[in-house]
Amino acid sequence: EVHLVQSGGGLVQPGGSLRLSCAASGFTFSSYWMSWVRQAPGKGLEWVANIQQDGSEKYYVDSVMGRFTISRDNAKNSLFLQMNSLRAEDTAVYYCTRDSFLAVALDYWGQGTPVTVSS
Amino acid sequence: SSEVTQDPAVSVALGQTVRITCQGDSFRNYYASWYQQKPGQAPVLVLYGKNNRPSGIPDRFSGSSSGSTASLTITGAQAEDEADYYCISRDNSGRRYVFGPGTKVTVL
Repeated sequence: EVHLVQSGGGLVQPGGSLRLSCAASGFTFSSYWMSWVRQAPGKGLEWVANIQQDGSEKYYVDSVMGRFTISRDNAKNSLFLQMNSLRAEDTAVYYCTRDSFLAVALDYWGQGTPVTVSS
Repeated sequence: SSEVTQDPAVSVALGQTVRITCQGDSFRNYYASWYQQKPGQAPVLVLYGKNNRPSGIPDRFSGSSSGSTASLTITGAQAEDEADYYCISRDNSGRRYVFGPGTKVTVL
C-alpha cells in the first residue's frame, strides 16, 4: 500500500526558512516523478513544484521560483521542499504527491503539513 | 493559455445527476484528472485519463472531454459526494500542472 508521510511544517517568521519532508513507502520511489501541492486557508489547490525520477529535472510555479527548491533522496525514499525567503502568502497546507505513470494526475497524496508565515 | 476555469458552485438533488466542467485550452491536448476534497481532508483522485476510476471510487463518477472542456459527471449523487472538486491539467510547457479553481458541490 502506498504511503506518503509528511513532516516539517510549522510557524516561521517572514523571510525565514523551512524544510518539508515526505517519506514514501509501498512503491518504487525512484521510478516516479513527485510533486508538492499547497492550499492556502479557504482557497483552492495550487501546484508548487515537481521533480523527475533522478532529480535532473525540476519545475516550479512562478510564485516560488528562486525561493523554493524541490529535491529527493532515492536511497531514503524521501522527497523534500526547501522553502526560503518565506512570505505571508506562502501560508498554506502543503501536500506531497506522487505523479501518475498513467495520466496527467497526482494519484497519491500525503496527509498535508501546515506552514504558517507570520510575525 | 494555461488558464483553467470552473463553475464556483453547483447543487444537485439526492439521487440526481450533476456535471462539473473545466474549461481551458490545455484540455485539447491532455485529459483532465479530477480530485474530491472534503473539509479538513487531503484531496482524493476520483478520475483520470479518458475515463478511468482508481480502485475504490464508485462507478457513479464518470468523465468525458470535448474540445477545450473536460467534464466530471456524478450519476445518482449521494450525500457523501458533497465536497469540493478540482480538475488539473498541464500548462503550455507540458511539465507543470495547473489546477482549476474548484467547484463546490452541494447535495440537497
